[in-house]
Amino acid sequence: DVKVTQSSRYLVKRTGEKVFLECVQDMDHENMFWYRQDPGLGLRLIYFSYDVKMKEKGDIPEGYSVSREKKERFSLILESASTNQTSMYLCASSLWPSGSPLHFGNGTRLTVT
Amino acid sequence: KQEVTQIPAALSVPEGENLVLNCSFTDSAIYNLQWFRQDPGKGLTSLLLIQSSQREQTSGRLNASLDKSSGRSTLYIAASQPGDSATYLCAVVNAGGTSYGKLTFGQGTILTVHP
Repeated sequence: DVKVTQSSRYLVKRTGEKVFLECVQDMDHENMFWYRQDPGLGLRLIYFSYDVKMKEKGDIPEGYSVSREKKERFSLILESASTNQTSMYLCASSLWPSGSPLHFGNGTRLTVT
Repeated sequence: KQEVTQIPAALSVPEGENLVLNCSFTDSAIYNLQWFRQDPGKGLTSLLLIQSSQREQTSGRLNASLDKSSGRSTLYIAASQPGDSATYLCAVVNAGGTSYGKLTFGQGTILTVHP
């Protein structure tokens, strides 16, 4: 079974802090994604990566950056956390090409105060 | 821009009923469509994936159909159980070389099955 592991289930940070959200998958997937999920807005794609060191902006990349130094690990970075980045963050991975299911981690609930 | 809509937003049924969840999408040029289940506070679990060339997929009590030309998919759940209570989301991958498997999600249907 594919396992996508997000390093924290709950995180509380202060405004202005630099925040790192880590995601690791164990199935050698090429594609990795970061989504955020908010009530009434659904899931929105922040960034994705289709290979090591490759990254593409999603629909809402502002205020975020990503890093993929190794195939199994995809990190989301909040450069200077703000209260409007309080959300559920979900990491996912899939095989290339894109005809395979997307596998999600359990999510990180981030609160910025 | 692809838009995905799910109807109804919420559904409450007694145990044992057969039910249908609906999903529609605006751009029929899709690569595949996936149905997911999400329990409260958890990530998403993939239930069924239908490739654009397929008409339906089945897994246990679940059956998903796809009518690409009309931009519609349905998820049929037979003999519903309280354990089926969750939010169900559908999502599509657009066709095209730059899609990289990016999914566009609907808002979900919150299903409650009461004993």
